[in-house]
Amino acid sequence: QVHLVESGGGVVQPGRSLGLSCSASGFSFNDYAMHWVRQAPGKGLEWVAGLGVNRDHQTYADSVKGRFAISRDDSRGILYLQMNSLTADDTALYYCVRVHCGGDCHWADAFEIWGRGTMVTVS
Amino acid sequence: QSALTQPPSASGSLGQSVTISCSGTSSDVGSYNYVSWYQQESGKDPKLIIYEVNKRPSGVPERFSGSKSGNTASLTVSGLQAEDEADYYCGSYGGRFNFVFGTGTKVSVL
Repeated sequence: QVHLVESGGGVVQPGRSLGLSCSASGFSFNDYAMHWVRQAPGKGLEWVAGLGVNRDHQTYADSVKGRFAISRDDSRGILYLQMNSLTADDTALYYCVRVHCGGDCHWADAFEIWGRGTMVTVS
Repeated sequence: QSALTQPPSASGSLGQSVTISCSGTSSDVGSYNYVSWYQQESGKDPKLIIYEVNKRPSGVPERFSGSKSGNTASLTVSGLQAEDEADYYCGSYGGRFNFVFGTGTKVSVL
């Protein structure tokens, strides 16, 4: 069974850093682009960052560019998100997501597999 | 990277149809067929229900359908059922390896 399990969330003071992890199982991790999506309490979905296969096409939403870094360890099947200079606006449930792989396995065809999320509170 | 525009709410009676619009630009929805839709029931995680404009993942009922015209995509839920009451989000590849979600629509079943 395909699973994504996030960890690393918690309460952090403004200006500090926090690292999230996402452990993948049940599929060939290195064959898929992976992303982070967040949802602030009572708000909508916001794409945060994406990383393609072979660690290419590493991109970020404008709201986190320069502060967040996405990375992956294909040998261990883990996706990471390093978050620096956190502000109250970064308070959200952070989801690790795997893309849907259609005919061409596009970097962002659609987000097919979602973890349960890990909550980050900046306060 | 502006969010795609969706109506805040939509509603329909049991058995009727409801259509949700998702308005983007020529840089995202209008340029790519990588438009997707997500259903998020209250307190639950998002679920992919439409990908590549009009394709349904395995297990998603046929009453969910998607389409696109120009810069606007649409999701239609036919034969509304009580369990369809949820928040719905569109999403689109935005070019240059970016992705954008819609603002979200709360669907109520009357």
